Amino acid sequence: QVQLQQSGPGLVKPSQTLSLTCAISGDSVSSNSAAWNWIRQSPSRGLEWLGRTYYRSKWYYDYAGSVKSRITMNPDTAKNQFSLQLNSVTPEDTAMYYCARDLVIDIGAGGLHYFFDYWGPGTLVTVSS
Amino acid sequence: DIQMTQSPSSLSASVGDRVTITCRASQSIGSYLNWYQQKPGKAPKLLIYAASSLQSRVPSRFSGSGSGTDFTLTVSSLQPEDFATYYCQQSYSTPTWTFGQGTKVEIK
Repeated sequence: QVQLQQSGPGLVKPSQTLSLTCAISGDSVSSNSAAWNWIRQSPSRGLEWLGRTYYRSKWYYDYAGSVKSRITMNPDTAKNQFSLQLNSVTPEDTAMYYCARDLVIDIGAGGLHYFFDYWGPGTLVTVSS
Repeated sequence: DIQMTQSPSSLSASVGDRVTITCRASQSIGSYLNWYQQKPGKAPKLLIYAASSLQSRVPSRFSGSGSGTDFTLTVSSLQPEDFATYYCQQSYSTPTWTFGQGTKVEIK
């Protein structure tokens, strides 16, 4: 059973950096079949995928265009966790932040289907002075 | 980005009702469509992947159908624990995945 446990501050000042960590149990951040994501949810933007990191002989990083200039994700193999850093935050970055695992399944006909099968409990991050 | 539009935004139903939620994609996405259920204060939970495949341990009263641009999630007989918000998500444009705005299922 995979479990994801999130940690990090719930209040960040405008222009500063939002930092969250997601600790993994029951799987490995270096898994060759999974990827590790950050997703946020707010009333104004709904559910928004932010980025992911995964290992396939080397580390890969994919980021959403909306945050690409401000986001960094880092895996930590020693602690089996991964992190999110979002720079230069504004009140629009106020949201519930989730970490999640995505898995890929080949159900035939050449199709690779991705889905988020495990989620962390969420961290409410408020950007305010 | 591919836009996902759900309808209705909310609905009221009774225990035992058959409920159908629709999700429309702004372009054809084949069967690259997932459904999630979210209860207040909780993370989303995967119900259906690849448009119609039931995730492990999800009750069989949930089913998904559709392909291309139009998809449906059906709950054959609504149970008290099914009152929640449901989201569709396209997995066609990997990895720039997008979600619908949600459909809230409330008790009538």
